[in-house]
Amino acid sequence: EVQLVESGGGLVQPGGSLRLSCAASGFTFTTYEMNWVRQAPGKGLEWVSYISSSGADTFSADSVKGRFAISRDNAKNSLYLQMNSLRVEDTAVYYCARGALFYDPSTGDLVTTGAFDSWGQGTLVTVSS
Amino acid sequence: DIQMTQSPSSLSASVGDRVSITCRASQSIGSYLSWYQQKPGKAPKLLIYKTSSLHSGVPSRFSGSGSGTDFTLTISSLQPVDFATYYCQQSYSTPLTFGGGTKVEIK
Repeated sequence: EVQLVESGGGLVQPGGSLRLSCAASGFTFTTYEMNWVRQAPGKGLEWVSYISSSGADTFSADSVKGRFAISRDNAKNSLYLQMNSLRVEDTAVYYCARGALFYDPSTGDLVTTGAFDSWGQGTLVTVSS
Repeated sequence: DIQMTQSPSSLSASVGDRVSITCRASQSIGSYLSWYQQKPGKAPKLLIYKTSSLHSGVPSRFSGSGSGTDFTLTISSLQPVDFATYYCQQSYSTPLTFGGGTKVEIK
């Protein structure tokens, strides 16, 4: 069974830092791209960051660029989000989400479509003084 | 950035109703459109990817259609477990973006 378990959330003051972790199990972690997606209280979903299966490529939303850094340790089946210079508007539940892979019968290959097929339960980050 | 606009933002429907939710992209995204269901306090669940492909384990009453900029999620016969908020998401280009959500409530 695929499991993604986030940890590291909590209350932090504006300008502070937090490091979120996501422990993955039940699948071959090194095969999959991973993402962080957040949801502010009572609001919709916002994609935060992406990392390729090897960790060589990353992309982030403009709202966090230069402040947040996504990384992974494939030996530990873990995904991370280092969050610096936190702002009140970063308050949200943060989810790690696996990038879906699907079989393409025309090529016989596994392909990515950018969908997120497994999500963790989320960890709440509250930025407040 | 590609903006995703969902309509309606909420709807009331009865068990057994056919329900459709629309998602419009600010530019063409080909078929790179996914749909998710989220219940209060829970993580989203993938329903449909690549516009019309049903994710494993998702009931066949859910279907997706469209291409380019206009997409639709249809629930053929609404069930009690389907009352939730639904989101569309484009994966044509970064930043990946979601629609604002459609809350499906019991009439």
